[in-house]
Amino acid sequence: DQQVKQNSPSLSVQEGRISILNCDYTNSMFDYFLWYKKYPAEGPTFLISISSIKDKNEDGRFTVFLNKSAKHLSLHIVPSQPGDSAVYFCAASARGGSEKLVFGKGTKLTVNP
Amino acid sequence: KAGVTQTPRYLIKTRGQQVTLSCSPISGHRSVSWYQQTPGQGLQFLFEYFSETQRNKGNFPGRFSGRQFSNSRSEMNVSTLELGDSALYLCASSRWTSPRTDTQYFGPGTRLTVL
Repeated sequence: DQQVKQNSPSLSVQEGRISILNCDYTNSMFDYFLWYKKYPAEGPTFLISISSIKDKNEDGRFTVFLNKSAKHLSLHIVPSQPGDSAVYFCAASARGGSEKLVFGKGTKLTVNP
Repeated sequence: KAGVTQTPRYLIKTRGQQVTLSCSPISGHRSVSWYQQTPGQGLQFLFEYFSETQRNKGNFPGRFSGRQFSNSRSEMNVSTLELGDSALYLCASSRWTSPRTDTQYFGPGTRLTVL
């Protein structure tokens, strides 16, 4: 049972435009969410996170939005750059217990020059 | 400072064999977590070690095991390999154990192919 879902395996956008990557979750105990970026032949690197007490977190060109009622979060990249081309993983952690990260399957973003 | 290193980077084994993968965390990091990445399942949590003790375990069969040494280096072992074990195995280290307060840094992974 996939508790964190990234329903779009791939996304292609033009350089300079906005990239929106989506993530849905089913476990209502999740209250901390993270995005990781992964280039080929490298491990994932942390990008941005958000706690459930917020509905938005911004870091430069990257903004994460959280809609708790819909159990949905999204990552916005503005403006998109060719160097942003990578696989993006959404991850979630539940309060209490192990707090281990549960990852989605990833979305491959391609930014075309 | 040096990042997380994993050895070997690539490995080819046959069904029924066993394999040991190694992970050296960032200096000063005491927590090591292991993940399996496959195209169909994404990243799946295997287990986490902190100060030589397994703190958490994912939903994998007992063929998957691990350990951590006093210098925080970690190994994972897969016995009686199956074709479905072919995957990228990622190791991540952090100073402490909570991903909410402490960023996990990933190594480049070990690509295991089972023939």
